Amino acid sequence: AAGVIQSPRHLIKEKRETATLKCYPIPRHDTVYWYQQGPGQDPQFLISFYEKMQSDKGSIPDRFSAQQFSDYHSELNMSSLELGDSALYFCASSLRTSGRSSGELFFGEGSRLTVL
Amino acid sequence: AQKITQTQPGMFVQEKEAVTLDCTYDTSDPSYGLFWYKQPSSGEMIFLIYQGSYDQQNATEGRYSLNFQKARKSANLVISASQLGDSAMYFCAMREGFTGTASKLTFGTGTRLQVTL
Repeated sequence: AAGVIQSPRHLIKEKRETATLKCYPIPRHDTVYWYQQGPGQDPQFLISFYEKMQSDKGSIPDRFSAQQFSDYHSELNMSSLELGDSALYFCASSLRTSGRSSGELFFGEGSRLTVL
Repeated sequence: AQKITQTQPGMFVQEKEAVTLDCTYDTSDPSYGLFWYKQPSSGEMIFLIYQGSYDQQNATEGRYSLNFQKARKSANLVISASQLGDSAMYFCAMREGFTGTASKLTFGTGTRLQVTL
């Protein structure tokens, strides 16, 4: 079965550079989430989209932006990179269901960003 | 206040033994879901088990079961017959509200499980 695809898997950037991460959700999933996981930390929610509209926003820095496109893939754009942005960035997708709070998030394998 | 609390930073268990990973949560929403994810050293997040706040029975998925005690607001993960491949970080997570809001998961700080021979 198709899973969530993230690219690139690994990315090395210098401080003050920009980076773009891509996410292709599971087909027919209508919600995409972005999470940031620093070394030894739990995943922190950044932002989510439902049907291409931003649905929730977490601790996403102003230097970061994201969008979901007509084909449902999503991109996370990060500018003026800082050392502290080094982390594993997860994209996840889910399908909204009615009547239950289930609908687990299916995670991609993550994009590991290293800022030097 | 922390929404999800995992008080065990690390746990050891012998192969073939059972182990319980603790998770307590805090919410005022009557509708919520609790999830457990496994993160091996390779980094991917693997969904293990789900428990809904209105579910009458404890969830089970193979060797994984969830000991759901609603009044205590706890959702402990029980892994039976531990295997070496179970060595990983385990995260408890919660979603508040019905999925109609497409709400995010909030994660605990995780428990690192090490299975020994």
